[in-house]
Amino acid sequence: DSGVTQTPKHLITATGQRVTLRCSPRSGDLSVYWYQQSLDQGLQFLIQYYNGEERAKGNILERFSAQQFPDLHSELNLSSLELGDSALYFCASSERGQRGGEQFFGPGTRLTVL
Amino acid sequence: GQNIDQPTEMTATEGAIVQINCTYQTSGFNGLFWYQQHAGEAPTFLSYNVLDGLEEKGRFSSFLSRSKGYSYLLLKELQMKDSASYLCALILTGGGNKLTFGTGTQLKVEL
Repeated sequence: DSGVTQTPKHLITATGQRVTLRCSPRSGDLSVYWYQQSLDQGLQFLIQYYNGEERAKGNILERFSAQQFPDLHSELNLSSLELGDSALYFCASSERGQRGGEQFFGPGTRLTVL
Repeated sequence: GQNIDQPTEMTATEGAIVQINCTYQTSGFNGLFWYQQHAGEAPTFLSYNVLDGLEEKGRFSSFLSRSKGYSYLLLKELQMKDSASYLCALILTGGGNKLTFGTGTQLKVEL
């Protein structure tokens, strides 16, 4: 158990819908990262927050947004869902926001868009 | 840009030693990570290299050569539970702390 929690574990929804994925980092970790893992793309970085502020952005679609709240939990919002958004979404956390340091991954949310 | 290449699949025998290679082309990075991932589960940290050389952690060792653009993960005394995907990842300079992953190597351990 990494200490990172994610809810829900599974999510099944329809195209065009909007969903929110939630992540609570390990106690004391200030940085949260979101990754997407699909069969054909591997693990891809989406976005990073550090202590409430956006720190780095990857190839995140405009339909996707995220935020980190004062209690350091984070939410990833996915809207206008398409079939291709079906994937495992992982949240990770680390103590620091830059220059290395192990990232601890949560168990993931499996999103299925029908 | 950067390319991080790993063999797609490898097969090894229980009790043996296996070396999983990772080659990359990038202008700069802060460190190189190895993660293990069982199907449908979260990646778990194995090792982290910043400087050239070998880092040893029990049955797992990782080596980095920055000049050669090369790293490997060495797994000794293989066990059936080591069957998993092994992911090489870089923290690129100027990119916050995000991990850029390779394609992963699916290792199958056989009796």
